[in-house]
Amino acid sequence: DTAVSQTPKYLVTQMGNDKSIKCEQNLGHDTMYWYKQDSKKFLKIMFSYNNKELIINETVPNRFSPKSPDKAHLNLHINSLELGDSAVYFCASRLTTGNYGYTFGSGTRLTVV
Amino acid sequence: AQSVTQLDSQVPVFEEAPVELRCNYSSSVSVYLFWYVQYPNQGLQLLLKYLSGSTLVESINGFEAEFNKSQTSFHLRKPSVHISDTAEYFCAVTAGSGGGADGLTFGKGTHLIIQP
Repeated sequence: DTAVSQTPKYLVTQMGNDKSIKCEQNLGHDTMYWYKQDSKKFLKIMFSYNNKELIINETVPNRFSPKSPDKAHLNLHINSLELGDSAVYFCASRLTTGNYGYTFGSGTRLTVV
Repeated sequence: AQSVTQLDSQVPVFEEAPVELRCNYSSSVSVYLFWYVQYPNQGLQLLLKYLSGSTLVESINGFEAEFNKSQTSFHLRKPSVHISDTAEYFCAVTAGSGGGADGLTFGKGTHLIIQP
């Protein structure tokens, strides 16, 4: 009954590989997000999806591409992985009306070697 | 656009002592404010939020924060901390526009260290 679930929890991969992180929410929220937390724990928004439309793209390299098959899922695809992509990636969701609660997943720790 | 400044990267406090974690924000529009807590190797949990109404908001585990519009602050306080409060605390802001898909802008976090 997890509200926002991400898979995998840990991902270790080599430079140059392509990988995906999956996110699903069962809260009935209409907007989903991806955040990146770097080694200094700084959190920065990467993307948001609202009704299958990309709303925000904060100067993220085009090697990163969000894909939303429906409003309960927002997957993150990363091509040609680089060492600097190593970070913890958090998925989040919220309902754009109501009490403005953002719910976060438990994170995916990506390590590029 | 909004920005958040957390003035202290690390705050050491003795157990059962009071603590204040400072947060200041900058915005040209009205805002909604949040505090999130991240325990080691875990995700982000909402601690409390200010949307409107009473400027003093409380969490279920004894934390409180006060929205001060004139000082553009949203400091987090607890009168008596416990070892289990050791964690990273993030202040965050979003535009209080009442709609849209605005994301959160986070501060750099404050590491609260509780000393026995």
